[in-house]
Amino acid sequence: DAKTTQPPSMDCAEGRAANLPCNHSTISGNEYVYWYRQIHSQGPQYIIHGLKNNETNEMASLIITEDRKSSTLILPHATLRDTAVYYCIVRVDSGANNLFFGTGTRLTVIP
Amino acid sequence: DVKVTQSSRYLVKRTGEKVFLECVQDMDHENMFWYRQDPGLGLRLIYFSYDVKMKEKGDIPEGYSVSREKKERFSLILESASTNQTSMYLCASSSTGTGANEAFFGQGTRLTVV
Repeated sequence: DAKTTQPPSMDCAEGRAANLPCNHSTISGNEYVYWYRQIHSQGPQYIIHGLKNNETNEMASLIITEDRKSSTLILPHATLRDTAVYYCIVRVDSGANNLFFGTGTRLTVIP
Repeated sequence: DVKVTQSSRYLVKRTGEKVFLECVQDMDHENMFWYRQDPGLGLRLIYFSYDVKMKEKGDIPEGYSVSREKKERFSLILESASTNQTSMYLCASSSTGTGANEAFFGQGTRLTVV
């Protein structure tokens, strides 16, 4: 599975869009990009995933560059409850579906 | 509402004790995982299972074993607990199939070994 690089921390003003970048320059053609987040003292929560195209759901949008070497998770209107550690993961959809978590980006939403 | 349930949120055990951490999922998922999480180290995979009675070592299996006798239940066993096993333990499950399959996590068990 490809390795990812994320900034260790970011701040965002409440109500503004939070844009969290992820670098995955060694991604393979059959690897998906996943985003999870972990709010303090809870288990990680799935947010969104994509392969090539941009994706949007009720929580966030995922923008993947055309060469697939990087992506951006967008929280369109950040709230205080979005303060969490955000993990970007790339993996093949293998039978075991293992997930390799790095150290993620700690997003702090400021009132 | 889909669920992964870990038997305890907090546990305190003594050094040398045998410790059982239980995880149950109600989504009929084939795959189940045990991770530990420590400050500055992120999540690290201990063991995973892709079927009943099947198990595979993750990145840090030493000092641990697992049991999967039923599809919905995956147990993590610390044969002889040590202080360096004090950590947050997270269980997860996912399905197997075409396309991407997200993992669902439990709330975690914070284990303290004294």
